[in-house]
Amino acid sequence: ETGVTQSPTHLIKTRGQQVTLRCSSQSGHNTVSWYQQALGQGPQFIFQYYREEENGRGNFPPRFSGLQFPNYSSELNVNALELDDSALYLCASSQTGGLGDTQYFGPGTRLTVL
Amino acid sequence: QKEVEQNSGPLSVPEGAIASLNCTYSDRGSQSFFWYRQYSGKSPELIMSIYSNGDKEDGRFTAQLNKASQYVSLLIRDSQPSDSATYLCAASSGGSYIPTFGRGTSLIVHP
Repeated sequence: ETGVTQSPTHLIKTRGQQVTLRCSSQSGHNTVSWYQQALGQGPQFIFQYYREEENGRGNFPPRFSGLQFPNYSSELNVNALELDDSALYLCASSQTGGLGDTQYFGPGTRLTVL
Repeated sequence: QKEVEQNSGPLSVPEGAIASLNCTYSDRGSQSFFWYRQYSGKSPELIMSIYSNGDKEDGRFTAQLNKASQYVSLLIRDSQPSDSATYLCAASSGGSYIPTFGRGTSLIVHP
């Protein structure tokens, strides 16, 4: 157990809908990163938040957005869902977002878009 | 484009054997390297991190790093059926320190 929690565990949506995924970081960690993992692929970086500011963004369209709260928990919002958005969404928390930083993953949210 | 390459496998080894998992990376500026294990339907869990050239041992696991060859490996000694999983290699570099993941190697340890 890493201490990182995510909700919900599973989610089914239809194309065009919007979804919000939530993550609580491990105690003492101020950095949260979000990843999308399609079946058979490695995690793909979406974005990272460090102390409530976006600290980096991967190659994902603007309909993927997020924020981090003062308690360092985080949300991932996806608008106008597409079938290809079906994936495991992983949240990872870490201590500094800097050199040697190690990320610890939550259990993930399985999103299915019909 | 930073890339981390892994053979998708599956790599099949008998119980008790040494499993050798390999990974190459494209960014010469990479400084931190990680191995994660991911069971089917679960999230990745950290096995080891390595930052310096050479070997790092932790129980049955040994990570090896060769920055000149841009190569990272993970050896699992005395492999057990419970080691059957996908192993993800990740590398991060100065600047963002955000790890780039490979697609993972599937390991099957058969009795």
